[in-house]
Amino acid sequence: QSALTQPASVSGSPGQSITISCTGTSGDVGAFDLVSWFQQHPGKAPKLMIYQGSKRPSGVSDRFSGSRSGYTASLTISGLQTEDEADYYCCSYTGGVPYVFGTGTKVTVL
Amino acid sequence: QVQLQESGPGLVKPSQTLSLTCTVSGGSFNSDLYFWSWIRQPAGKGLEWLGRISNGGSTTYNPSLKGRLTLSKDTSKNQFSLILSSVTAADTAVYYCARVVGGPGPGYFDPWGQGTLVTVSS
Repeated sequence: QSALTQPASVSGSPGQSITISCTGTSGDVGAFDLVSWFQQHPGKAPKLMIYQGSKRPSGVSDRFSGSRSGYTASLTISGLQTEDEADYYCCSYTGGVPYVFGTGTKVTVL
Repeated sequence: QVQLQESGPGLVKPSQTLSLTCTVSGGSFNSDLYFWSWIRQPAGKGLEWLGRISNGGSTTYNPSLKGRLTLSKDTSKNQFSLILSSVTAADTAVYYCARVVGGPGPGYFDPWGQGTLVTVSS
């Protein structure tokens, strides 16, 4: 099972919106609208930001939103803030392995 | 709320066995609603799902580990454990334990332990 493909880096200025893509296949992202997204600050454990494609856990800012189109899931961060600077990982259920993570995206706030 | 904490040796020699334990506090360990997983992350690299264990003890492993992984759980201690045999330098990573919300079907990882660094070196 290959890792899901994410851009290595995405950047934006404070207040802007950015979108991180997560591309898979018909066996994972395309088959299940169940992608989750994690935020990871340096030296810290990943934190769940989005689950089941577009749901936010309690306590996660509504500036974070998730969606999917075909084989690509997306995480959008609106109103970018300095504390959003971190690594972000997507994860899809595959029905086989059964979980596969994305390659990770470093978000930089300019 | 539920908290997870990994523990175990930080240094393992090549070809030996890596053993880690995750202690769960705050409830839910004996619920059929959750599975329990291990995930690792080599320095500067991405996340790799290793395996999961159900409340009843059934396990699923990542085939990439080629039969080297065994998960178990001790309900009396609210702990689940990882044993990885025949380790090499490629197994050097931060190891995380996490709760899987959603049972045997499509689930998601929440929360995670803080992680423990394991280095494989002689």
